[in-house]
Amino acid sequence: ELKVEQNPLFLSMQEGKNYTIYCNYSTTSDRLYWYRQDPGKSLESLFVLLSNGAVKQEGRLMASLDTKARLSTLHITAAVHDLSATYFCAVNSAGANSKLTFGKGITLSVRP
Amino acid sequence: GAGVSQTPSNKVTEKGKYVELRCDPISGHTALYWYRQSLGQGPEFLIYFQGTGAADDSGLPNDRFFAVRPEGSVSTLKIQRTERGDSAVYLCASSPNSYNEQFFGPGTRLTVL
Repeated sequence: ELKVEQNPLFLSMQEGKNYTIYCNYSTTSDRLYWYRQDPGKSLESLFVLLSNGAVKQEGRLMASLDTKARLSTLHITAAVHDLSATYFCAVNSAGANSKLTFGKGITLSVRP
Repeated sequence: GAGVSQTPSNKVTEKGKYVELRCDPISGHTALYWYRQSLGQGPEFLIYFQGTGAADDSGLPNDRFFAVRPEGSVSTLKIQRTERGDSAVYLCASSPNSYNEQFFGPGTRLTVL
């Protein structure tokens, strides 16, 4: 059974500082996704990572994937208040249809 | 363009009642997914349609839950004899095909009293 773990589950960040959050999964996967969710809202796609060593960047966020370690990291550069939200990673089982298994999410809070 | 839409946005019902939740996917998307998100948790897969057929319904929790997509576009999730534990946000997602990124709708918040 595919399991996805995220850590930490909650992170209080100081504005202007850098942070990294983690997602690891238990079995081989074809794709890994990062989503953002604001309170009471739906999921907004941030990144799709398809292969070992993939790195994608958008603004202050950079996501990378190590398929051998079954680990993805999301690096935050110079945190700003607008990044406060819950971040989910999700993976699918390799060779299966694309139903996604999600982690519990990491809630980021940026303080001045 | 228009994204995934879901109706109603909120549904309050009493224990034991029947409810229907609707999903309108992005036009042309052949793959459609239903997920359920409980408070403080990540979404959990319920069912996946490729076209009109349910390709994977392994996430449906029991036989009170059923979903259809008769014309390969709009889908309806049906819950019979609702229980308080069914209270959650029900999310629908669509994708151009089963190997592409999924785009999520705003969800239906179901509350069973």
